[in-house]
Amino acid sequence: EIVLTQSPATLSLSPGERATLSCRASQSVEYLAWYQQTPGQAPRLVIYDVFNRATGTPARFIGSGSGTDFTLTISSLEPEDFAVYYCQHRGTWPRTFGQGTRVEIK
Amino acid sequence: QVQLVESGGGVVQPGRSLRLSCAASGFSFSRFGMQWVRQAPGKGLEWVAIIWYDGSEKYYGDSVKGRFTISRDNSRNTLYLQMNSLRAEDTAVYYCVREPYVAGQTLPDEPWGQGTLVTVSP
Repeated sequence: EIVLTQSPATLSLSPGERATLSCRASQSVEYLAWYQQTPGQAPRLVIYDVFNRATGTPARFIGSGSGTDFTLTISSLEPEDFAVYYCQHRGTWPRTFGQGTRVEIK
Repeated sequence: QVQLVESGGGVVQPGRSLRLSCAASGFSFSRFGMQWVRQAPGKGLEWVAIIWYDGSEKYYGDSVKGRFTISRDNSRNTLYLQMNSLRAEDTAVYYCVREPYVAGQTLPDEPWGQGTLVTVSP
């Protein structure tokens, strides 16, 4: 099983600031996705296959990385971006998620 | 529009069984693989299982392997999760999720249902 480790656990930032979220895999992965979840809601796909934006994902969300190290960057935080973000690998079974990074308002 | 509606959750005693259903609409159900993902209260996401569009292949997370069975009825546009030998740690909201891969393409969408809560308690 591939273990995904996300850091930091919590990111405290102000609107307009840049957010950088990390996801590190225990072995090389090819297909990585990022999800956003707000309280009481189902998760929503934000980025798939490392850098592709899902439908409705604004251009300020940027996925990057390769091998075992991946990053989700939100270039300038909007109020609706404060949420929990999860990474997930899709290339092998079982698929696994990272433990999540909470982006909170400072 | 695409809709995924889960049902069948509730309170069940440890060791008992429960079957979840997910009714799909708004897309060609028989063309897509389907998944279950769960989330324990206040915790992160855990991938549970996946089934191919035609039911020919199934894969499970390590914590549910041998106890849970994913299946589908394409004539009824419905996905199922049969959960046996339930444990307290299976308590979670269970989400039905459509796979984004179809006919060799990756779609930029991955619809999720709103989830159904399963509580395993004496």
